[in-house]
Amino acid sequence: GAVVSQHPSWVICKSGTSVKIECRSLDFQATTMFWYRQFPKQSLMLMATSNEGSKATYEQGVEKDKFLINHASLTLSTLTVTSAHPEDSSFYICSASWGRKNQPQHFGDGTRLSIL
Amino acid sequence: TQLLEQSPQFLSIQEGENLTVYCNSSSVFSSLQWYRQEPGEGPVLLVTVVTGGEVKKLKRLTFQFGDARKDSSLHITAAQPGDTGLYLCAGDLPGNQFYFGTGTSLTVIP
Repeated sequence: GAVVSQHPSWVICKSGTSVKIECRSLDFQATTMFWYRQFPKQSLMLMATSNEGSKATYEQGVEKDKFLINHASLTLSTLTVTSAHPEDSSFYICSASWGRKNQPQHFGDGTRLSIL
Repeated sequence: TQLLEQSPQFLSIQEGENLTVYCNSSSVFSSLQWYRQEPGEGPVLLVTVVTGGEVKKLKRLTFQFGDARKDSSLHITAAQPGDTGLYLCAGDLPGNQFYFGTGTSLTVIP
């Protein structure tokens, strides 16, 4: 099946640091990648949708200058949390699809971000 | 308000019991998926249903898509501790909009 790799799986850093999370589709070309945020035992909240080679579309309430998304190739998207603060601590998950209508998304294993 | 409401939100049952999780909306979906997520991992796709009234079975799990394609259910027979996890429905709306349900956290007690 389709494999999506997310890295790192866990990161702890000091307040004010910028953190980059990578999302790679390993065995297919991902025309669309999605970034989600999740709190414990809650559903996934879509942050933004990115299409290869174009600017990401952010959901309402998500600061685009805070959460920088780059989708430079068909196999890689990155999320950079700039000047992270403790309230940014969360579980971040990416997913990828090959973009045809109704194609299911395939998820990475998530990144646990803890800001001290 | 959430587009896809799941019920119950939390469920704790004994091993061997049966359970049903519901996913309801007022919108019509092109397709609907069910995922299971374990702590610290990403969601794993269980099934996709496309046709109204469709029923799919995956071992002890039975998935049904409502006739009007607005709702779905997941039924688990003889639950096992390995079924513990967060169950998420997700739906595709026309125009490639995709929404997750509110989630159901299931705990199966040995």
